[in-house]
Amino acid sequence: DAGVIQSPRHEVTEMGQEVTLRCKPISGHDYLFWYRQTMMRGLELLIYFNNNVPIDDSGMPEDRFSAKMPNASFSTLKIQPSEPRDSAVYFCASSPTGGAYNSPLHFGNGTRLTVT
Amino acid sequence: AQTVTQSQPEMSVQEAETVTLSCTYDTSESDYYLFWYKQPPSRQMILVIRQEAYKQQNATENRFSVNFQKAAKSFSLKISDSQLGDAAMYFCAYRSGGSNYKLTFGKGTLLTVNP
Repeated sequence: DAGVIQSPRHEVTEMGQEVTLRCKPISGHDYLFWYRQTMMRGLELLIYFNNNVPIDDSGMPEDRFSAKMPNASFSTLKIQPSEPRDSAVYFCASSPTGGAYNSPLHFGNGTRLTVT
Repeated sequence: AQTVTQSQPEMSVQEAETVTLSCTYDTSESDYYLFWYKQPPSRQMILVIRQEAYKQQNATENRFSVNFQKAAKSFSLKISDSQLGDAAMYFCAYRSGGSNYKLTFGKGTLLTVNP
């Protein structure tokens, strides 16, 4: 099992540029989550999908952020235009359907985004 | 909305000693799950231990155990025989028992293990 795969691992971009973060969940997992981690706010849920359908996007900061899941094996988180305050580590996680004891979240290694 | 509070931003322990990390949560639900995740400097989030709220017995995973006090809404993590590799940020997390699968995390406790 390869685990959740995120790319890139690091991203440095200039303010105003478009940024796309990518995630491949564990095969067979029905749920996919995007979290953002900062020193000030900790781990915040941005959005999550079930069977490729967005279920809760209430954590998406503003219209500059968008997420898609075109199929069961791929998701993107896009920021356009990016701003320095978007600098953070972005995590993707996946989970199978089932009771929480048998279906904890499995996290990727995260993408560290720096917007200058 | 559920909230998770970790009141200790930092803790330290001597190698081979025992340390307890605190976590409290606020919820009106009766069915839920609690987790502890570890985040070492590599940034990877690793599941340490999990507890179902309806189970009275405290969960144990090798050197890691929890003290789950449902009435007090407390979920502390005890690490026995601490090892250098235990040094990491530890996050407490809450999940509802229904169909909402999202985790709500505390702000974390940075654990240092001294040789």
